[in-house]
Amino acid sequence: DADVTQTPRNRITKTGKRIMLECSQTKGHDRMYWYRQDPGLGLRLIYYSFDVKDINKGEISDGYSVSRQAQAKFSLSLESAIPNQTALYFCATSDYNDRAFFGQGTRLTVV
Amino acid sequence: DAKTTQPPSMDCAEGRAANLPCNHSTISGNEYVYWYRQIHSQGPQYIIHGLKNNETNEMASLIITEDRKSSTLILPHATLRDTAVYYCIVSPLIISNFGNEKLTFGTGTRLTIIP
Repeated sequence: DADVTQTPRNRITKTGKRIMLECSQTKGHDRMYWYRQDPGLGLRLIYYSFDVKDINKGEISDGYSVSRQAQAKFSLSLESAIPNQTALYFCATSDYNDRAFFGQGTRLTVV
Repeated sequence: DAKTTQPPSMDCAEGRAANLPCNHSTISGNEYVYWYRQIHSQGPQYIIHGLKNNETNEMASLIITEDRKSSTLILPHATLRDTAVYYCIVSPLIISNFGNEKLTFGTGTRLTIIP
């Protein structure tokens, strides 16, 4: 079983719809992250959380929200999806050495 | 602001050593150098990290210059499965407790292993 699991793996949604991407981890790490990847742009940080009561905006948080329901769960929501949010989304956790462990990714298409 | 500079692409012959450079001239004393790779569209994979001493593990070696302004990731015997985008990142360790540190990825080096 994967250490970091993302659901769904692929999703097509319509403009204006609300969508939630879920992430769960079995690493026991406190720190969790959501990244977005667009072709040719590397990974960009959307939100991150250092523990259950801590939520921080990353460099591209506009249009997104997150919820840290438990140490193991970190969800990313798009309240009203728009086409330029079409991207590959990654969830990650990190350990005390800042080694990050990534999920398999969610490919989101907004039409 | 990018803390690291990497060449956008490199080729390496299969079986040879792949040497991937990274410049990080503004690195701070408490920042480590981390390397990750991303194979196709999979999630990035941790490779190695170091502070100032050279490091080696089962995947690669990391050579950091004495002034710490640059480093080289070495894959000793590259295989076709090493074809990926390689990211060099500088970051403090969490335990240093310097505030909200986070991993910031740039665009990396696309390494292609040639048969």
